[in-house]
Amino acid sequence: EVQLLESGGGLVQPGGSLRLSCEASGFTFNTYGMSWVRQAPGKGLEWVSTISGSGGSTYHPDSVKGRFTISRDNSKNTLYLQMDSLRAEDTAVYYCAKEALAAAGNYFDYWGQGTLVTVSS
Amino acid sequence: DIQMTQSPSTLSTFVGDRVTITCRASQSISSWLAWYQQKPGKAPKLLMYKASSLESGVPPRFSGSGSGTEFTLTISSLQPDDFATYYCQQYNSYSPTFGQGTKVEIK
Repeated sequence: EVQLLESGGGLVQPGGSLRLSCEASGFTFNTYGMSWVRQAPGKGLEWVSTISGSGGSTYHPDSVKGRFTISRDNSKNTLYLQMDSLRAEDTAVYYCAKEALAAAGNYFDYWGQGTLVTVSS
Repeated sequence: DIQMTQSPSTLSTFVGDRVTITCRASQSISSWLAWYQQKPGKAPKLLMYKASSLESGVPPRFSGSGSGTEFTLTISSLQPDDFATYYCQQYNSYSPTFGQGTKVEIK
């Protein structure tokens, strides 16, 4: 059974940093691309970052480029999201999501339960 | 970036009704479209991929169609468990984008 368990969310001041983690199990982790998708309170879904199975390729939208860094440790079956220079508009539930196919840039067949990040003074 | 526009934003309907949700892309995405269902406080759940392929375990009352820029998700006979918010997502590029969502409510 595929499981994705996020952790690391919390309250942080504007300009601060936070690192999210997502521990994966139930599939061959290094075979699949992984992504982070966020959802602001009462809003829709927004893609945040994607990393290939090997970790050699990463993708971010302009809204977080230069501030967020996605990475993975395949020896620990764990995905990370380092978030720096946080802004109020980054407040959201952050979901870890598994890409359905081996190549990055796909749809998401499994999602974690989400971790809430609140950016506020 | 490819923009995805869903309609309607909200749909008030009855159990047993046929429901159709539309998703339009700002440029052609071939059939690279997925649909998700999300209930309050829960993660999204994959329903359909490649526009018309049903994810394993999803009831056959769900179906998808379309290609290019216009797509539909149809629920043939709405069940109580189907009241939720539905999102489309394009994956034509390494920059996936979602529609704004369609909330299906009980009338």
